[in-house]
Amino acid sequence: QKEVEQDPGPLSVPEGAIVSLNCTYSNSAFQYFMWYRQYSRKGPELLMYTYSSGNKEDGRFTAQVDKSSKYISLFIRDSQPSDSATYLCAMSDPSDSWGKLQFGAGTQVVVTP
Amino acid sequence: GAVVSQHPSRVICKSGTSVKIECRSLDFQATTMFWYRQFPKKSLMLMATSNEGSKATYEQGVEKDKFLINHASLTLSTLTVTSAHPEDSSFYICSASRGTGDSGEAFFGQGTRLTVV
Repeated sequence: QKEVEQDPGPLSVPEGAIVSLNCTYSNSAFQYFMWYRQYSRKGPELLMYTYSSGNKEDGRFTAQVDKSSKYISLFIRDSQPSDSATYLCAMSDPSDSWGKLQFGAGTQVVVTP
Repeated sequence: GAVVSQHPSRVICKSGTSVKIECRSLDFQATTMFWYRQFPKKSLMLMATSNEGSKATYEQGVEKDKFLINHASLTLSTLTVTSAHPEDSSFYICSASRGTGDSGEAFFGQGTRLTVV
């Protein structure tokens, strides 16, 4: 069993819809949770990060962490075709090297005009 | 923001030759850098953790003699793929961490697409 599980998709939504992404994990030591966006053949770009449980909002993006369920989510409101990309969840254990991340498989999102 | 620059973005080399990839943190000092490999439509696979001034720590199954990592300064780490073979063709990405503050996020370079012919 992988430490971080993420449905690879693809997930296709019409423009303007809400995109809902999620990951589950098994390692209870994870404390930092991140979402990255990756366009084809580019490096991942950090979108959101959260520490421990809770919600965080930044513009059209909302990240949620439920440590009791070992479940994290990312919501993208008013989706645009430019949001079409692969979204990777990542998490880290504070006892590990700073910046050492465990990634999900990535979910490919396609927003259709 | 934190900027990480990776060079080259694309390289084609002949089988048996070596290729060096550079990863630089432009506006912060990176005590730790990481090297990943990514296959098409797959997630990032951590290859090694690079700490400034010390030997890299390689993940299980990664050949340290094939993938040489040097982290000579707080802003530069290099990955050298030695005696490259076609199966080494992949997308290589580095990331860097400030190693301070209250978050564990890492910042990624643009990636290097290596093709071995």
